[in-house]
Amino acid sequence: QKEVEQDPGPLSVPEGAIVSLNCTYSNSAFQYFMWYRQYSRKGPELLMYTYSSGNKEDGRFTAQVDKSSKYISLFIRDSQPSDSATYLCARWDSNYQLIWGAGTKLIIKP
Amino acid sequence: DGGITQSPKYLFRKEGQNVTLSCEQNLNHDAMYWYRQDPGQGLRLIYYSQIVNDFQKGDIAEGYSVSREKKESFPLTVTSAQKNPTAFYLCASTKGRGQAGELFFGEGSRLTVL
Repeated sequence: QKEVEQDPGPLSVPEGAIVSLNCTYSNSAFQYFMWYRQYSRKGPELLMYTYSSGNKEDGRFTAQVDKSSKYISLFIRDSQPSDSATYLCARWDSNYQLIWGAGTKLIIKP
Repeated sequence: DGGITQSPKYLFRKEGQNVTLSCEQNLNHDAMYWYRQDPGQGLRLIYYSQIVNDFQKGDIAEGYSVSREKKESFPLTVTSAQKNPTAFYLCASTKGRGQAGELFFGEGSRLTVL
């Protein structure tokens, strides 16, 4: 079983919709989570990080951690075509190695 | 501007040839990483280095080699022993040894074996 599970998609939604991207994790020992965005043929860039339960907001983006169910989510409000990308979740483990999800490809249709 | 520079962006290799991918950073970061990315598989760690002249194997090190002679440079050699080298290769760095934090990535190098 992979430590971080993520549906690879693709997920296709109309412009303006609220997008929900999700990951589950299996190891609770060290809980520092990150969401990266990767455009096609580019390197990933950090969107948000969080290490506590609850919500963290940054503009149209909200990261949510539910430690009881081992679920992390990224919400995108008022989605734009420029949000079309692959979104990767990751978790630092207790050995300071990053465990990556497979990435979800998101398509925002104009 | 500080960042990570990978070169070349695109590379074609004949079977049986070794190729070296360059990674240079001017962020003064201690730790550097090489990842391989295949469609639908996320990022898989090849090698990482937390200090000059030291590096460790990641999950898929077979057929690859690295060196870390300078803090700012971490080249990756894809050897002829790597059975399926066609992939997108990403170099990354982070500030501290033994710390969780933001990983900064280069733009990637796409290797195709002909």
